Amino acid sequence: AQTVTQSQPEMSVQEAETVTLSCTYDTSENNYYLFWYKQPPSRQMILVIRQEAYKQQNATENRFSVNFQKAAKSFSLKISDSQLGDTAMYFCAFHSQDSNYQLIWGAGTKLIIKP
Amino acid sequence: DGGITQSPKYLFRKEGQNVTLSCEQNLNHDAMYWYRQDPGQGLRLIYYSQIVNDFQKGDIAEGYSVSREKKESFPLTVTSAQKNPTAFYLCASSVDRGLGRNQPQHFGDGTRLSIL
Repeated sequence: AQTVTQSQPEMSVQEAETVTLSCTYDTSENNYYLFWYKQPPSRQMILVIRQEAYKQQNATENRFSVNFQKAAKSFSLKISDSQLGDTAMYFCAFHSQDSNYQLIWGAGTKLIIKP
Repeated sequence: DGGITQSPKYLFRKEGQNVTLSCEQNLNHDAMYWYRQDPGQGLRLIYYSQIVNDFQKGDIAEGYSVSREKKESFPLTVTSAQKNPTAFYLCASSVDRGLGRNQPQHFGDGTRLSIL
């Protein structure tokens, strides 16, 4: 079965620090798509960044970047220069042909940015 | 602006009552989804629809029903058979799941359902 594991239930860092959220997954597919979503206290689910497994280059969106290690099936999210507005739940998810392109979700990491 | 509108934001259900959660999108997306989120947990798929007049059960479909009579609309009914309906419900949509497989799902703001 395809699974996504986020091993850090909660993390907290000081404002302006860099933080890395971990995500590992399990699939037998060679091509798939990975996503990080953010859910702030308002509960809206917002796409942060995405990565296609066949692309070796790590995706970057402003202060957000990923470290995609395909062999290790790891997809960590790095947030640089963290801001108070980054406080949220962060969910890792992926889909593939095997999952019928339905998103498989991790349980989430609660990130708290302290002033 | 294109987006997904869920209503109501808060909903209360009495024992034995069916309630319907609305989800409307103007993104011209083919696929729509309903998720349930319990406190401190991730999302679980209830139902999804890839095309009008067709929908499929997700992981936790028991006690729920849906319809897809229009491309823009995918209402979810929480029936009296769902014994623990208190949760946060999120509706999402995406471009056709196969052709647009690298495209993300877009989400509404959610509906919080509680039992009276």
